[in-house]
Amino acid sequence: GNSVTQMEGPVTLSEEAFLTINCTYTATGYPSLFWYVQYPGEGLQLLLKATKADDKGSNKGFEATYRKETTSFHLEKGSVQVSDSAVYFCALWRGPGTGFQKLVFGTGTRLLVSP
Amino acid sequence: EAQVTQNPRYLITVTGKKLTVTCSQNMNHEYMSWYRQDPGLGLRQIYYSMNVEVTDKGDVPEGYKVSRKEKRNFPLILESPSPNQTSLYFCASSYGLAGGLGEQFFGPGTRLTVL
Repeated sequence: GNSVTQMEGPVTLSEEAFLTINCTYTATGYPSLFWYVQYPGEGLQLLLKATKADDKGSNKGFEATYRKETTSFHLEKGSVQVSDSAVYFCALWRGPGTGFQKLVFGTGTRLLVSP
Repeated sequence: EAQVTQNPRYLITVTGKKLTVTCSQNMNHEYMSWYRQDPGLGLRQIYYSMNVEVTDKGDVPEGYKVSRKEKRNFPLILESPSPNQTSLYFCASSYGLAGGLGEQFFGPGTRLTVL
């Protein structure tokens, strides 16, 4: 089946620390991969995406590289801020032409950044 | 402003009292979906719709109904709510299978408590 596995949280960091949130996936074919972020009290919003192997998605200082050989899409940021405190969701979609009609989410990883 | 709106944002009700949570999008999106978010379980899809009059079950459809009579609206109906439906609900929309299904726009959420 199609699934996404994320590291359990919470991840607790001090401001300016390096962030990695692990994400691995299982899917048929060549899915598109996404990171969504949910700030406190809000809905999810797309953070970044990658649609094929070796693509790097980036936004707001966050990066993730689509690694087909390790079926991974780890989220990284070089220097986190307090305002990055949120829940981060990794997700996959099998892509156009597959008839696959859903976005598959991981369970989310909470990030807490202290000053 | 492009957005997905949900109403109400908060609702406390009693077992068995029918309720409807409305969802509306102003982006002319084909695809709409309902999710529930529970601690430790992440987001689970309840129902989705590929277009007007086309709906299908997600992963946890029991106890819920939906309809899609207009492209912009996708209400979620709980005919006889039970305490296990206490959750945070999100509506989302996207362009659909042609290429944009993975990039979903989320509403702000509806926190439902069933006593």
